Amino acid sequence: QSVLTQPPSASGTPGQSVTISCSGSSSNVGSSSVSWYQHLPGTAPKLLIYWQNQRPSGVPDRFSASKSGTSASLAISGLQSEDEGDYYCSTWDDSLRGRVFGGGTKLTVL
Amino acid sequence: QVQLQESGPGLVKISETLSLICTVSGGSMSPYYWTWIRQPAGKGLEWVGRIYPTGNTDYNPSLKSRISMSLDSVKNHFSLQLKSLTAADTGVYYCARDVPGAIDAFDLWGQGTMVTVSP
Repeated sequence: QSVLTQPPSASGTPGQSVTISCSGSSSNVGSSSVSWYQHLPGTAPKLLIYWQNQRPSGVPDRFSASKSGTSASLAISGLQSEDEGDYYCSTWDDSLRGRVFGGGTKLTVL
Repeated sequence: QVQLQESGPGLVKISETLSLICTVSGGSMSPYYWTWIRQPAGKGLEWVGRIYPTGNTDYNPSLKSRISMSLDSVKNHFSLQLKSLTAADTGVYYCARDVPGAIDAFDLWGQGTMVTVSP
């Protein structure tokens, strides 16, 4: 059971938009920045979003994120087939004194 | 550019100790946290623990009794030891750089190394 709750799956057709949620508590999402990672099959996870809504160099602006209270979300617009994979949110948990991940969301591009 | 590479045995036996090393090339180990993250077979990512160049560590509470991490800033590598292995420790182990402050995220990852714990 993950500390952060994500939907196990999400889907969309090419060109559509999809949103993935990440729900936590006051000891994690509510008090720390949230980062998002893309994990494509056979590759290492890749940082997509840090500090709530900042993108590293090279990450397209189709990816955006937001946070409100103890929930965060990742939005992907203009879905492409190469976006298919697993997406994880992560943050620091003050109670556990450690980093935590969401359970991951498997994105399927239909 | 900075790169991370995990190394270690792919197969270990139940009850034994797993030892992994992550070599950091192309950059300094300061001022970052150096982290181990694993993905058990068929499951999501799990934070194992991290070490700072000063030697300070933070460990996953569920694994704390079995973990030890160390860092050698001269050799530019850090290591993980996980003892009393069970089949549940089978999975891919990643090392990653955890950047504190204004980034506060894992910005670099190794390719991962598969570890199988067998009877």
